[in-house]
Amino acid sequence: QTVVTQEPSFSVSPGGTVTLTCGLSSGSVSSSYYPSWHQQTPGQAPRTLIYNTDTRSSGVPDRFSGSILGNKAALTITGAQADDESDYYCVLYMGSGNWVFGGGTKLTVL
Amino acid sequence: EVQLVESGGGLVQPGGSLRLSCAASGFTFSNAWMHWVRQAPGKGLVWVSHINSDGSYTSYADSVKGRFTISRDNAKNTVYLQMNSLRAEDTALYYCARDFSYGMAVWGQGTTVTVSS
Repeated sequence: QTVVTQEPSFSVSPGGTVTLTCGLSSGSVSSSYYPSWHQQTPGQAPRTLIYNTDTRSSGVPDRFSGSILGNKAALTITGAQADDESDYYCVLYMGSGNWVFGGGTKLTVL
Repeated sequence: EVQLVESGGGLVQPGGSLRLSCAASGFTFSNAWMHWVRQAPGKGLVWVSHINSDGSYTSYADSVKGRFTISRDNAKNTVYLQMNSLRAEDTALYYCARDFSYGMAVWGQGTTVTVSS
């Protein structure tokens, strides 16, 4: 069973830049996994930030960007703001009609 | 405006059944793949099931295979999740989501399922 890995927690200073990653317990993530990124604040439904590796969802500010860095998918937030403090989930398409979420990264802005 | 509204959640005893609905609006539903995703209290998101645009292809997480059935009615712009043989570990907030490029692109607000005696 392939596990999708994310950092459990990360911290960034206001105005700073942070890169969250999404990897595989075995193998490398490529664009063929169609990585997408979703932001969730407590008590709220998820909100899609990035789909298909690097395409921003409608209304998402351009300080959120997606990419492949090395063997992982990455979400970079530049100019972090207080309301970016959220949980961030990646999800990968594993093929054969199967999707797997990572465990999520809790981002703190302080 | 694209909107997904889930309904049908509630309290059910172990072994019982429940059918969730997700009403879609603001986009061409009959062209869209759809997903169900769940989140247990205090836990992360877990993909549950997917259905293609005409309902001819469905897929499930191993944890629900054989117990849950996804379906859709394109005339009613609605996707369903029939949940049978429910277990305590199925307790979660269930979200429906529209797919775009093999990922979830739009989310509903969710409906809560509690399995308890």
